[in-house]
Amino acid sequence: SQTIHQWPATLVQPVGSPLSLECTVEGTSNPNLYWYRQAAGRGLQLLFYSVGIGQISSEVPQNLSASRPQDRQFILSSKKLLLSDSGFYLCAWSRGTGGYEQYFGPGTRLTVT
Amino acid sequence: QKEVEQNSGPLSVPEGAIASLNCTYSDRGSQSFFWYRQYSGKSPELIMSIYSNGDKEDGRFTAQLNKASQYVSLLIRDSQPSDSATYLCAVNLGNQFYFGTGTSLTVIP
Repeated sequence: SQTIHQWPATLVQPVGSPLSLECTVEGTSNPNLYWYRQAAGRGLQLLFYSVGIGQISSEVPQNLSASRPQDRQFILSSKKLLLSDSGFYLCAWSRGTGGYEQYFGPGTRLTVT
Repeated sequence: QKEVEQNSGPLSVPEGAIASLNCTYSDRGSQSFFWYRQYSGKSPELIMSIYSNGDKEDGRFTAQLNKASQYVSLLIRDSQPSDSATYLCAVNLGNQFYFGTGTSLTVIP
């Protein structure tokens, strides 16, 4: 069976500090991978998605970046956090293009102070 | 602009009643349709997927899809307090998934 991991679970960072969130998927190969952000009381905002190693599509221009150094690893980064970066960051995977179901990791709750 | 619209609620139903959640989408090219349940502070959990017109039943949950009307619904029969959560509707188009803002459901014991 497939499992998706995210860490850390909770993070409190000062404004201007860097960020690195990691997501890994087990039990599948060549998944599509996604980063979403959910602000308090808001819907899901797609940040990045990837259909393969080194292939990243950005949906929202901002101070965040993503990388996919390995098939089942997806990393979200920032060089300098803003207050507005606070939120619930969710990694998700799907089997590929064509209507496959999408599954979410447990999420990272980020508070920028 | 690909939009997925849901009534934000809150929707309150008594225990044992049927809860009806609705969703409309704007892009006729949408291929697949999903319902997620999200408890407060937790990540979304997939509860139903539907790919063709009609009804799909899984336990107490029934998803209904009408592509001509661009409408998806979720019925929860015999609602339980544990069903109290926010329900997200999602549609798939190509590599991307588009989510509604969710409907908050409260089941009153």
